[in-house]
Amino acid sequence: SYVLTQPPSVSVAPGKTARITCGGNNIGSKSVHWCQQKPGQAPVLVIYYDTDRPSGIPERFSGSNSGNTATLTISRVEAGDEGDYYCQVWDSSSDHVIFGGGTKLTVL
Amino acid sequence: QVQLVESGGGVVQPGRSLRLSCAASGFTFTTYAMHWVRQAPGKGLEWVAIISYDGSNKYYADSVKGRFTFSRDNSKNTLYLQMSSLRAEDTAVYYCARPFDVGNSLDFPFDVWGQGTMVTVSS
Repeated sequence: SYVLTQPPSVSVAPGKTARITCGGNNIGSKSVHWCQQKPGQAPVLVIYYDTDRPSGIPERFSGSNSGNTATLTISRVEAGDEGDYYCQVWDSSSDHVIFGGGTKLTVL
Repeated sequence: QVQLVESGGGVVQPGRSLRLSCAASGFTFTTYAMHWVRQAPGKGLEWVAIISYDGSNKYYADSVKGRFTFSRDNSKNTLYLQMSSLRAEDTAVYYCARPFDVGNSLDFPFDVWGQGTMVTVSS
């Protein structure tokens, strides 16, 4: 089945840019969604269809997707951005929704 | 407001059964496919199943296929996840989730999540 690979952790200083990658075979041909999860809370959608932002999500959050890698970029990182981030795709060959393993973002 | 509220979690012995519920409100429930997603303690998200808006079609993750049954009662705006032959590895927080648009596509992101209900499978 389709596999999404994320780095377990990313660390960044406040005010800098964080990039979280999501690797998959020809992922550029799929639609990628990203959610953020803080401890003890349900996930929150932050990017959908590769680049779109839900209302209420800051413009600092952006996404891209090409080739074998999708990327979530968080500019001007704030302490409140800490949490776990998951990428998500639909695998049409199995009709399964697939999540990446998650990346823990730490703001130094 | 749009809300999903799960219930029915608890501690259950291996091999036994448990039924989870998810009550929906604040949107036209009958037009949305719905999903279950779970998260084992300290682990990542795992998709469990989808049910079409009318309950006629369902897809399951390989890890639960044949053991879990997803159903819905559109007259009560409620989802059900009947879990049987439970295993230790089914221990997780179970979330119901709504796609961001109507229809049955599995390609939609999830824009509404419940708060989750904890299931612990242990002797």
